[in-house]
Amino acid sequence: EVQLVQSGAEVKKPGESLKISCKASGYRFTSSWIGWVRQMPGKGLEWVAIIYPGDSDTTYNPSFQGQVTISADKSITTAFLQWSSLKASDTAMYFCARHTNGFDFWGQGTMVTVSS
Amino acid sequence: QSVLTQPPSASGTPGQRVTISCSGSSSNIGGNTLNWYQHLPGTAPKLLIYSNNQRPSGVPDRFSGSKSGTSASLAISGLQSEDEADYYCAAWDDSLKGPVFGTGTKVTVL
Repeated sequence: EVQLVQSGAEVKKPGESLKISCKASGYRFTSSWIGWVRQMPGKGLEWVAIIYPGDSDTTYNPSFQGQVTISADKSITTAFLQWSSLKASDTAMYFCARHTNGFDFWGQGTMVTVSS
Repeated sequence: QSVLTQPPSASGTPGQRVTISCSGSSSNIGGNTLNWYQHLPGTAPKLLIYSNNQRPSGVPDRFSGSKSGTSASLAISGLQSEDEADYYCAAWDDSLKGPVFGTGTKVTVL
C-alpha cells in the first residue's frame, strides 16, 4: 500500500529556517516523481516543486524558485522541502504527493505557520 | 498564479448533473493529459480522474472527464451531498516543465 507520511505542524518566526519531510513507503521510491503542493489559507492548490529521487532531477515552479529547496534521501525514502529564511507569506498547508499519471497519492499535509 | 482557468463555483440539487470546465493552452492541456482532483476541507486532495477520462479504482462512475483541444470538463451525474467539495483540474505544462493546477471550482449541493 502506497503511503506518504508527513512531519507535524510547525510554528516559526520570520527569518527562521525550516525543513519538512515526507516519508514514502509501499512503492519504489526512486522510480516516481514526488512533489510538494501549497495551499494558502482560503486559496487554491499550487505546485511548488518536484523531484525524481532516482537521479535527483528537480523542477521548481518559477514562483517558488530561490525561495525553497526540494530534496530527497533515497536511503530513507524521504522527500524534503526547506526554507532558509521564512516569511509570513509562507504560512500555508503543504502537501507532498507522488506524481505518476498526476498526483496519485498524497500525504496528510503539514501546516506551517510563520508569525512574529 | 494558475494557468488553468475554472469557474469559481457550480451548484445543483441532489440527483442533478453538474459540469465544470477547465481552460488552458497548447503548452498544457493542448499537449498533455488532464487530471481532476476532489478536495474536501481538512483532508488531502484525491485524484478523481487521470489521463483525461480514466477513473482510479474506487471512484464512482458518476464522475467522468473529457478533453478537447485546450479545454476539458468534469461531469458529476447524480449529484450527492458528499460531492460538495472543491474540484481542481491539472496538467503538465511543457513551458514550466511541471504540473499546473486550475483555479478551482467549489461545488455546492443545494
